[in-house]
Amino acid sequence: TQLLEQSPQFLSIQEGENLTVYCNSSSVFSSLQWYRQEPGEGPVLLVTVVTGGEVKKLKRLTFQFGDARKDSSLHITAAQPGDTGLYLCAGAWNDYKLSFGAGTTVTVRA
Amino acid sequence: NAGVTQTPKFRVLKTGQSMTLLCAQDMNHEYMYWYRQDPGMGLRLIHYSVGEGTTAKGEVPDGYNVSRLKKQNFLLGLESAAPSQTSVYFCASSYSYRGRSYNEQFFGPGTRLTVL
Repeated sequence: TQLLEQSPQFLSIQEGENLTVYCNSSSVFSSLQWYRQEPGEGPVLLVTVVTGGEVKKLKRLTFQFGDARKDSSLHITAAQPGDTGLYLCAGAWNDYKLSFGAGTTVTVRA
Repeated sequence: NAGVTQTPKFRVLKTGQSMTLLCAQDMNHEYMYWYRQDPGMGLRLIHYSVGEGTTAKGEVPDGYNVSRLKKQNFLLGLESAAPSQTSVYFCASSYSYRGRSYNEQFFGPGTRLTVL
């Protein structure tokens, strides 16, 4: 059972367009992370958000943590082909473990 | 630093065979994890360790065993492989700072296992 639901499952856009990926849960998390995974590789951490309502920016990527710490979104502005990959959100609900969403596969066409 | 390494990268087994996957990290991290990744299901935790000599069950532990005899190594064993264990296996590690875990996990490149 997935504690975290990601939507959409697949997203295909043209270079230069914007996109948003959502991560929702009925559980409250102490922190939430976003990872990106490229084919044949392991996930790589992009960001950790901790405080409800927190917004973090990483170049063209904007991450937001919901006020109630149950949901998060990832927004990419002016997407580039290099943004192609599987985006995973993960919630921390104790000191040691993460619960991962099923992921959103993003394809940016040149 | 190599980070997290996994061996082997690929393996094909027949049903009933056994094997061990090795994970090594050179970052002196306390916590280590084994996940499996299947299409449409994200990453599911198999077993984890919060320190040398300790292990605990995750979400999908059946059919797997683990050992952490050294801080830098975490071994995942399949005693009698089944086709349902065909998957990509990832090892990860994370650290604590001043007694607090930040849950920021560093992943290895994965092992692709096929059980026929």
